[in-house]
Amino acid sequence: KNQVEQSPQSLIILEGKNCTLQCNYTVSPFSNLRWYKQDTGRGPVSLTIMTFSENTKSNGRYTATLDADTKQSSLHITASQLSDSASYICVVSERGSQGNLIFGKGTKLSVKP
Amino acid sequence: NAGVMQNPRHLVRRRGQEARLRCSPVKGHSHVYWYRQLPEEGLKFMVYLQKENIIDESGMPKERFSAEFPKEGPSILRIQQVVRGDSAAYFCASSPLLAEYTGELFFGEGSRLTVL
Repeated sequence: KNQVEQSPQSLIILEGKNCTLQCNYTVSPFSNLRWYKQDTGRGPVSLTIMTFSENTKSNGRYTATLDADTKQSSLHITASQLSDSASYICVVSERGSQGNLIFGKGTKLSVKP
Repeated sequence: NAGVMQNPRHLVRRRGQEARLRCSPVKGHSHVYWYRQLPEEGLKFMVYLQKENIIDESGMPKERFSAEFPKEGPSILRIQQVVRGDSAAYFCASSPLLAEYTGELFFGEGSRLTVL
């Protein structure tokens, strides 16, 4: 069964610190992996999209990595800010699945001053 | 605002009533997706549509739920005879390309349905 598992479920860090969020998936055949940021009560906003051949992709203070062999991805946030408090969602697309993206439950990040 | 527009943002219905959720995709986008999010759960795929066609409805319950994306006007997700279990946030997303092929997916702010 195609699944996307994220860890930790929640995380509290101090402003200015770095953190890394994990995503493991069993989706096969793999097409691409995305990371989204979802503020409470809002729609998800895309951070990165990676295909099979991409190992790392950055978007400002966000850096995503992908190991397609071990089916693992991580999202590293550098120099966290209060506005980074949100849920971070890992989404995997199965090749041939049309629009049926598989969403993880997300990691809820709280950045404290 | 050229983003995905969803309305209403909040909708309250009594059991047995109908709920209609609307989604206007980003201008020029021909691919529309609907997702449902229960509290503390991840988004779950419901249906994928292109103009006037339902491409994949494998995530949508067979009973009471229907979706359309007419040639003119917004996409509509319709829930008939709502039950308490239908209470959720319903998100619409659009893309210029098929999402599977790294088409950037733009989400609306969601419609939150509460069934009393």
